Amino acid sequence: EAQVTQNPRYLITVTGKKLTVTCSQNMNHEYMSWYRQDPGLGLRQIYYSMNVEVTDKGDVPEGYKVSRKEKRNFPLILESPSPNQTSLYFCASSSILAGGETQYFGPGTRLLVL
Amino acid sequence: AQSVAQPEDQVNVAEGNPLTVKCTYSVSGNPYLFWYVQYPNRGLQFLLKYITGDNLVKGSYGFEAEFNKSQTSFHLKKPSALVSDSALYFCAVRDISYSGAGSYQLTFGKGTKLSVIP
Repeated sequence: EAQVTQNPRYLITVTGKKLTVTCSQNMNHEYMSWYRQDPGLGLRQIYYSMNVEVTDKGDVPEGYKVSRKEKRNFPLILESPSPNQTSLYFCASSSILAGGETQYFGPGTRLLVL
Repeated sequence: AQSVAQPEDQVNVAEGNPLTVKCTYSVSGNPYLFWYVQYPNRGLQFLLKYITGDNLVKGSYGFEAEFNKSQTSFHLKKPSALVSDSALYFCAVRDISYSGAGSYQLTFGKGTKLSVIP
């Protein structure tokens, strides 16, 4: 089954404790992206990647890092989480070769930073 | 810069009645337009898209949307609402006038909560 998976689905942590949220897709998509969803703000893009070793900032990159060492994986790293990073996070992927028209989303990771 | 506006935070409709969820957009060039739906505790699911061609686009679960270039709108519609349609709906735009990495960025609206009342 074609899908985007994220782990963990739920995470409670404390300020300053480094964490990584994993994202993996099995569709051989070139384009991957991270979003955060906050009430009243919709989805905002954090980082995106056009292919292996190619990443770039989205609209709200501060406090986040990403890496793309393999085509299928695109982890989101919070080196020193703060309470304002409490949010619902989504990973998405799409095929550039197919026009990049439709992005497929993971199930989301709900993060609470105390 | 591209942007999307969903003017209604919430839409209430009775089951069996037609529903409309509004979306307007702003891009400097030509748009790709999308609707996604989010059910409680789930990720976003693709509903439909407008790329080119017929202005009336049909999608999943009986939904359709009409692209109106002069009004820069892409309203989501369904002739007869079901209780199971209750969810959060997002409109998104991509400006295809750019080239390179930035052209793949989707900009989302803030979402409209649809409640279908039995």
